[in-house]
Amino acid sequence: GAGVSQSPSNKVTEKGKDVELRCDPISGHTALYWYRQSLGQGLEFLIYFQGNSAPDKSGLPSDRFSAERTGGSVSTLTIQRTQQEDSAVYLCASSKGLIASTDTQYFGPGTRLTVL
Amino acid sequence: TQLLEQSPQFLSIQEGENLTVYCNSSSVFSSLQWYRQEPGEGPVLLVTVVTGGEVKKLKRLTFQFGDARKDSSLHITAAQPGDTGLYLCAGAKETSGSRLTFGEGTQLTVNP
Repeated sequence: GAGVSQSPSNKVTEKGKDVELRCDPISGHTALYWYRQSLGQGLEFLIYFQGNSAPDKSGLPSDRFSAERTGGSVSTLTIQRTQQEDSAVYLCASSKGLIASTDTQYFGPGTRLTVL
Repeated sequence: TQLLEQSPQFLSIQEGENLTVYCNSSSVFSSLQWYRQEPGEGPVLLVTVVTGGEVKKLKRLTFQFGDARKDSSLHITAAQPGDTGLYLCAGAKETSGSRLTFGEGTQLTVNP
């Protein structure tokens, strides 16, 4: 079956512009996560959604970052007034549920964002 | 402050050698996972350990969770070039739901 897909795969933007990154989770997965990965580094948690519950936004680095999940499926991560330090790979993952030990997170290939 | 410390950060070895990667923390985790990531792709889960002292084997890979659930190790026997990749450990806490905290990763290169 189809895995997690993300678009675009690459995005180059100018400092100060807004960008939108899209994630299509695996069908039927109720949980969706966004992470950020700097070059060759580990992943930094940003936000997760679970069903109709309020999202956990505790990892968002500033109020320039926001995310929404429409209809419990597709999610969009928006970065406003981008800065050079926002350059990174943004990864999306989905899982059936919220139990870390049993609900495997499946990751998409990521969107590489470059802010000039 | 990095909650999960991985070492070494980089490792370059010859085919056939053994290696161990470490993941250490001062915090207790309810479960710990190991992922492998290749360039241009997202991480792929290798194993989840949940019980202190637990040992899991996956072919030539052996994973261990520390007795106190604060640390873990990944041992690879007779490494192959196909083992090349970024290895990431990630921990989950009971108080954080499914939110994972990742280590910085170990970039492994196995030379033929």
